Amino acid sequence: SQQGEEDPQALSIQEGENATMNCSYKTSINNLQWYRQNSGRGLVHLILIRSNEREKHSGRLRVTLDTSKKSSSLLITASRAADTASYFCATSGGNQFYFGTGTSLTVIP
Amino acid sequence: DADVTQTPRNRITKTGKRIMLECSQTKGHDRMYWYRQDPGLGLRLIYYSFDVKDINKGEISDGYSVSRQAQAKFSLSLESAIPNQTALYFCATSDPRSLPYEQYFGPGTRLTVT
Repeated sequence: SQQGEEDPQALSIQEGENATMNCSYKTSINNLQWYRQNSGRGLVHLILIRSNEREKHSGRLRVTLDTSKKSSSLLITASRAADTASYFCATSGGNQFYFGTGTSLTVIP
Repeated sequence: DADVTQTPRNRITKTGKRIMLECSQTKGHDRMYWYRQDPGLGLRLIYYSFDVKDINKGEISDGYSVSRQAQAKFSLSLESAIPNQTALYFCATSDPRSLPYEQYFGPGTRLTVT
């Protein structure tokens, strides 16, 4: 399998704290994307970082990419209860997307 | 209206039955995908199609078949359903001509095979 893995599998934090989740992948990539999934619903794209980029910001999201370690991290700052969801990284190389196993984030009000 | 729709949203079927899951999109994207999601395993690609005449197997295509009836429609069939095909199934689309080259997902079909 070429799936990536997220770490941790589950994360519980208080509202206002920062949440960091990590993704490791196996193959060379063109880009890496992060998606969010609310319980039982479809995934929604959050942010994309290209293989030649090291860091990218979008609102309260900060993504880093280390291609030498084949890893990425997603930081959500000042978390809100509405951020409670599962977060997946996805890599694309060639014609397919490969999704990680996901981090389940719970933000406690 | 939703850009990517899936029918049915929930389905319970018996072992051995044939079942079809349907996906329609109004985004005008050429590329369509079928994934299944199992707890702890993330999403795994079943089949993908880059246009009506182009169908490709994904990571876990055994036991499944697909049909791309039109640019907007991509159906997934389970010829003879088995219990380990119980999962959440997602259809997705993408347009490689537009950045950020993301995938757009439907709401999912929860399939239970008894």
